[in-house]
Amino acid sequence: EAEVAQSPRYKITEKSQAVAFWCDPISGHATLYWYRQILGQGPELLVQFQDESVVDDSQLPKDRFSAERLKGVDSTLKIQPAELGDSAMYLCASSRNRVSEKLFFGSGTQLSVL
Amino acid sequence: GQQVMQIPQYQHVQEGEDFTTYCNSSTTLSNIQWYKQRPGGHPVFLIQLVKSGEVKKQKRLTFQFGEAKKNSSLHITATQTTDVGTYFCAGHLSGGSNYKLTFGKGTLLTVNP
Repeated sequence: EAEVAQSPRYKITEKSQAVAFWCDPISGHATLYWYRQILGQGPELLVQFQDESVVDDSQLPKDRFSAERLKGVDSTLKIQPAELGDSAMYLCASSRNRVSEKLFFGSGTQLSVL
Repeated sequence: GQQVMQIPQYQHVQEGEDFTTYCNSSTTLSNIQWYKQRPGGHPVFLIQLVKSGEVKKQKRLTFQFGEAKKNSSLHITATQTTDVGTYFCAGHLSGGSNYKLTFGKGTLLTVNP
């Protein structure tokens, strides 16, 4: 069964450093999502792409976070500079389209900022 | 903004007991989805409900969508240790153009064998 690929699986960094996460959605999925999940909480949407276009980034801290999906396939989420409060699981998900489709999640990147 | 609330936050049961988690939205939802996240894992889609008053079953799991499309529930009959995990509801806001899926905080289910 096709899966959403994410890397790295774990990332430890010091505050003020830059970090980047990569996601490759299921082939053919037009919609890609980046969620942040703090331990004990539900996933919180950071950014949503439809093909290469951002359709929702209202919860993305744009002073330090950026996301791109240049060719409408894989995507990169960057944090610069990282802060202690950014420690969380960063989950990528994809769906065939954005119209009420189920989401397929990757295994996530667990970020620890020291 | 739109909020999706879930209760209880935690539930511990003896194997064989039933379990229910409830989800409530401050606004009408176009649909609601349920996901399960095993410890150390990622959310996995379980089901989607679309119609007012809809009820769907998957073996021992029963999902309901309220008549007003503002609440939902997941009921597990005769829990097993394999049911352990966090159950999330997630709703799409009715109307609008973004189809943003908002997750509840989840209910962590633990099962004592």
